[in-house]
Amino acid sequence: DAKTTQPPSMDCAEGRAANLPCNHSTISGNEYVYWYRQIHSQGPQYIIHGLKNNETNEMASLIITEDRKSSTLILPHATLRDTAVYYCIVRVPWMDSSYKLIFGSGTRLLVRP
Amino acid sequence: DTEVTQTPKHLVMGMTNKKSLKCEQHMGHRAMYWYKQKAKKPPELMFVYSYEKLSINESVPSRFSPECPNSSLLNLHLHALQPEDSALYLCAAAEILSGNTGELFFGEGSRLTVL
Repeated sequence: DAKTTQPPSMDCAEGRAANLPCNHSTISGNEYVYWYRQIHSQGPQYIIHGLKNNETNEMASLIITEDRKSSTLILPHATLRDTAVYYCIVRVPWMDSSYKLIFGSGTRLLVRP
Repeated sequence: DTEVTQTPKHLVMGMTNKKSLKCEQHMGHRAMYWYKQKAKKPPELMFVYSYEKLSINESVPSRFSPECPNSSLLNLHLHALQPEDSALYLCAAAEILSGNTGELFFGEGSRLTVL
């Protein structure tokens, strides 16, 4: 029961911004949105997360719509090394203070030279 | 370098074998996870341990048996597996105290093949 929907694939030119959309229309008020990426079946790598405000770090920016039903991950200057599968994830709190991350189907991003 | 170490990296086993996958973290994080990932599919949550106690079991068949001997170790015991259980098994650790990012740190995975 994945709670996010992503396009299966996208591509962009090296040096340009990559904008990866995600739909999470059933997200609850206390559920965070996380983004991870995975390269060549290595372990997924954390990129960024947010609740309702836009966030930025050294890797990317996360734009969350005001109604929180969708978000966009922005890689400002994509490089060939950014070619990977990008997962938009909802973090679901659990009763004992733990939580589970439910992965969406992911977007395969190809950065072209 | 990953801060979560999984062994072995590759495992081939028969359907009657008993084997174990091991995961170790030295970050002091209080939650540990097992995920299963089939080829070209997203990771699927199997188990969550919180403070060394099983917190979440996503209706995983009993041929998979998790164990958390202490706060740094997480095992996945395998018995009577089927060929369709062949997959990449990912371990992760997370700090669940409030004020932390809640980021899951993943290991590189153990690739399991069941013959």
